[in-house]
This record gives sequence, structure tokens and C-alpha cells, in this order.
Amino acid sequence: DTEVTQTPKHLVMGMTNKKSLKCEQHMGHRAMYWYKQKAKKPPELMFVYSYEKLSINESVPSRFSPECPNSSLLNLHLHALQPEDSALYLCASSLQGSGEKLFFGSGTQLSVL
Amino acid sequence: TQLLEQSPQFLSIQEGENLTVYCNSSSVFSSLQWYRQEPGEGPVLLVTVVTGGEVKKLKRLTFQFGDARKDSSLHITAAQPGDTGLYLCAGEGSDSWGKLQFGAGTQVVVTP
Repeated sequence: DTEVTQTPKHLVMGMTNKKSLKCEQHMGHRAMYWYKQKAKKPPELMFVYSYEKLSINESVPSRFSPECPNSSLLNLHLHALQPEDSALYLCASSLQGSGEKLFFGSGTQLSVL
Repeated sequence: TQLLEQSPQFLSIQEGENLTVYCNSSSVFSSLQWYRQEPGEGPVLLVTVVTGGEVKKLKRLTFQFGDARKDSSLHITAAQPGDTGLYLCAGEGSDSWGKLQFGAGTQVVVTP
């Protein structure tokens, strides 16, 4: 199994909603990532978890809250988002976390109304 | 921040033509990766180059890493419509462990 699975594939939410994005991998990878990608732009790193601990937070606003319940799962909790947060949210994993091949999920296309 | 600049931003060619995409930086990278991303999907790794001067071939794709490990190129021979996608170079700098930085990407469109 070389897949990173993300759910949901599409999400529309209002600015007062609370929602969660989910990511799962069963490759035994110990590093997991959240990226945000706007249309026609490259992915921008948001968070990195290494061995289930948050190792990098790229100064992301607190309305985005990551969680790593175990080594296979990664969540991104969303609350009080703004329309400018609409984007493709990509989850990725790698074996241990440095200079390695990233395996990306297909992403969640998020629209904030 | 070690910036990766890609050129061109957009490339539209006919099937059968060749193309080259460039990825340049003023900084040294321990390795560079090339990804291809199709609409509605996440990026998929094509290759990782590690050694200065290295050349790697993947069927019709040829990847080069500059001698000084500051630049890389991707050359596609006899492009096919299936090569259409966003090509991204990415690297991890010596002072940014765990932070893979992406170039802005090159959108390639190959028409039949």
C-alpha cells in the first residue's frame, strides 16, 4: 500500500463552521505533512509531524489546528476560516522526515463561503 | 529562505516536440526533487538528484543536477499529451531540515 488517503475530497463550509480534514497512510512513515496550495501556485508547507510530534509550524493562524492521533493518522481541524483560506489542502508522508521522497494524497478542495 | 526559481512558467507545445524546464537557485541544495502534478491530484515524485553533475533518465525524461548543486533541468523528448501537467522542482536546504521548498512550477501543455 503506497497510498496517502485524504477525506473528504471536497468540502464547502461557512465561516462559522467547524470541520476536520483527515489523512491516513499505512506505509509505516513517521513524518506527515500538511500543505496548502492555491490555484496555479506551488504547495506551501503548513505543518510537519515527526514521530507523532509537531516539529514544524510555519506560522499558521490558529484557526488551523493539526492533530496526529497516531503514526498513521493526521487531522487538520478548521474553525472560523476566512474565504481566503479556500485552497487545495494536501497531506503528505515520508519515511522519517528529511530530504526524502514525499508521498502526497489527492488533497481536499476546500471552499469557504 | 533558499528560493527556487523555475522557468518558464508556462509551456505549450505540440506532440512530438522537445522541451526543457529549468530550476535555479543561488543556494546549494543537498538534493533536488522533481514532481509532476495533474489537476485535482497531489504531486507525484518523478526523480531525486543528489550528486552534483548527476544525470538521470526516466524513459523520455532526462534530469540533470548542476555541478554546484544550485540548479537542475528537466528535458522531455518527443512529448506526449500524457506529459501535460504542472512540473515542480523542490529542495531542502542545508539550514531547513524537514522543510521541502517548492519552485513556482512550470505548467506544461502538450497538444495532439
